[in-house]
Amino acid sequence: KAGVTQTPRYLIKTRGQQVTLSCSPISGHRSVSWYQQTPGQGLQFLFEYFSETQRNKGNFPGRFSGRQFSNSRSEMNVSTLELGDSALYLCASSLRGQGESPLHFGNGTRLTVT
Amino acid sequence: AQSVSQHNHHVILSEAASLELGCNYSYGGTVNLFWYVQYPGQHLQLLLKYFSGDPLVKGIKGFEAEFIKSKFSFNLRKPSVQWSDTAEYFCAATSGSARQLTFGSGTQLTVLP
Repeated sequence: KAGVTQTPRYLIKTRGQQVTLSCSPISGHRSVSWYQQTPGQGLQFLFEYFSETQRNKGNFPGRFSGRQFSNSRSEMNVSTLELGDSALYLCASSLRGQGESPLHFGNGTRLTVT
Repeated sequence: AQSVSQHNHHVILSEAASLELGCNYSYGGTVNLFWYVQYPGQHLQLLLKYFSGDPLVKGIKGFEAEFIKSKFSFNLRKPSVQWSDTAEYFCAATSGSARQLTFGSGTQLTVLP
């Protein structure tokens, strides 16, 4: 069974630009969660989508948004990039939701904002 | 607000030493608890989980964790570590009502050969 796939692996953007990250979950998983990982803050929860509906949202500004498609693939968008958005963005899929079944993580997208 | 605390940020051990990593959560009531591990250059993966039942749970690679409700703790243990256990370990928890998984800040374990 294929794992969670995130694209692209690396991104370099300039402050003020916007970016879209993509995540393909494990087949059959309806939940996709997004996390921001930084050395100082650890894993910070962004949002979770389940069957195309946002089920949970973390404490990030509205510049961070996401969506999920009918095939469970998910995208995350960050608008008006700031230097502090530089981080590893992780996507994780699960069968019944992030707190009810184990998460399967992708390798992440490394975003650098200059 | 829900929180998960991992008080050890960096632990350094020699091979064959015993390991215990602390994890405390702040919720009352029903909780689901997890330990995840991130080996160098690899993605995060599940080490073990506790939903209910026996408070002593066993995971992969000889790891175990004990859920102590009265102490709001879910400490990770291994009797004898190996160099290959060098990794970052994350505790995570969710309450039954919130369904939002909160991670601790992680503990970097370095095992010296």
